[in-house]
Amino acid sequence: EVQLVESGGGLVQPGGSLRLSCGASGFIFSNFWMSWVRQAPGKGLDWVANIKEDGSETYYGDSVKGRFTISRDNAKNSLHLQMDSLRVEDTAVYYCVRGGGKFEYWGQGPLVTVSS
Amino acid sequence: DIQMTQSPSSLSASVGDRVTITCRASQTISTYLNWYQQKPGKAPKLLIYAASSLQSGVPSRFSGSGSGADFTLTISSLQPEDFATYYCQQNYNVPRTFGQGTKVEIK
Repeated sequence: EVQLVESGGGLVQPGGSLRLSCGASGFIFSNFWMSWVRQAPGKGLDWVANIKEDGSETYYGDSVKGRFTISRDNAKNSLHLQMDSLRVEDTAVYYCVRGGGKFEYWGQGPLVTVSS
Repeated sequence: DIQMTQSPSSLSASVGDRVTITCRASQTISTYLNWYQQKPGKAPKLLIYAASSLQSGVPSRFSGSGSGADFTLTISSLQPEDFATYYCQQNYNVPRTFGQGTKVEIK
């Protein structure tokens, strides 16, 4: 069974940093692109970033480019999202997702709240 | 960036109704179009990929069609568990973009 379990959410002040992690199981992690997708409270879905199977390519949404960094550790079956210079508008549930374009499996998503 | 526009934004329907949701891309995207269902408090679920391919485990009352810039999600006979919000999403290029969502409510 495919499982994606995120950790690292919480409350952070504007301008602060937070690192999300996602542990994957039930599939060969190193064979799949992975992504982060977020959803602000009461709003729609917003793609954040994705990363190639071997980590050699990464792509970002315009609103997070230069502030967020996606990375992966295939030896530990884990995906990460380093979020710096956080803004109030980054407040959202952040989903770890298997796939780079077709989002087949989703984690449950930690809430990240950016507020003073 | 490719803009995805869904219509309607919401609809009310009864159990057994045929429901159609449309999605229009701001440029041609071939069949690089996926559909998701999301229920309150839950993660989205992939229903349809490549415009018309049914994801494993998804009931056959869901179907997708279209190519180019215009796409349709159809639920042939609405069931109680289908009341949810539906999103289209293009994977023709980056950034990946979603439609704004269509909320299907009980009439």
